[in-house]
Amino acid sequence: NAGVTQTPKFQVLKTGQSMTLQCAQDMNHEYMSWYRQDPGMGLRLIHYSVGAGITDQGEVPNGYNVSRSTTEDFPLRLLSAAPSQTSVYFCASRTGTSNEQFFGPGTRLTVL
Amino acid sequence: GENVEQHPSTLSVQEGDSAVIKCTYSDSASNYFPWYKQELGKRPQLIIDIRSNVGEKKDQRIAVTLNKTAKHFSLHITETQPEDSAVYFCAASRGNSNSGYALNFGKGTSLLVTP
Repeated sequence: NAGVTQTPKFQVLKTGQSMTLQCAQDMNHEYMSWYRQDPGMGLRLIHYSVGAGITDQGEVPNGYNVSRSTTEDFPLRLLSAAPSQTSVYFCASRTGTSNEQFFGPGTRLTVL
Repeated sequence: GENVEQHPSTLSVQEGDSAVIKCTYSDSASNYFPWYKQELGKRPQLIIDIRSNVGEKKDQRIAVTLNKTAKHFSLHITETQPEDSAVYFCAASRGNSNSGYALNFGKGTSLLVTP
């Protein structure tokens, strides 16, 4: 199993550009989530999904959209990037029968 | 929503000493408390966790204690080694499917173990 994968690893955007951060897992996990990590702030929840077709907002959802058309994929979309979205983004997944959340390797995003 | 406070933000110990990191939470409905270790440039890795029906859990040199009444939990690392140097995060979760098992993280503790 590849576990949780994220692409790209690094990305530089200009203010106003749009892009999609990709996240996929091959463990058949129902639950997936997106976190952002900023220095001194820990990880903060952006959006989460409890299954295909179901998503909900987390602590810091503004400026981000998500969809969950399949169990495997949970992309995060930035419609109009802002410098405040410069961060490291982690995708995570888990099953309902195990406590552990598995994190992807992260995407480092810089918005100029 | 849940608020998780973590202290200290930085901790420096000598190799072989013990390290203790403390967290408090605000949501009495939280029932799952994991600890993550994150090395520079890497993803968070689960090192130990505890559920609210247990007061203490130990795994070799690391242990976690939970005081539900006071709403605080702590990570204890004994016989520290240089490879324990990393950032440690505590988290709290309601542990239910409705919330997607979402985690609320503390802001992290940077632990440095000097030889």
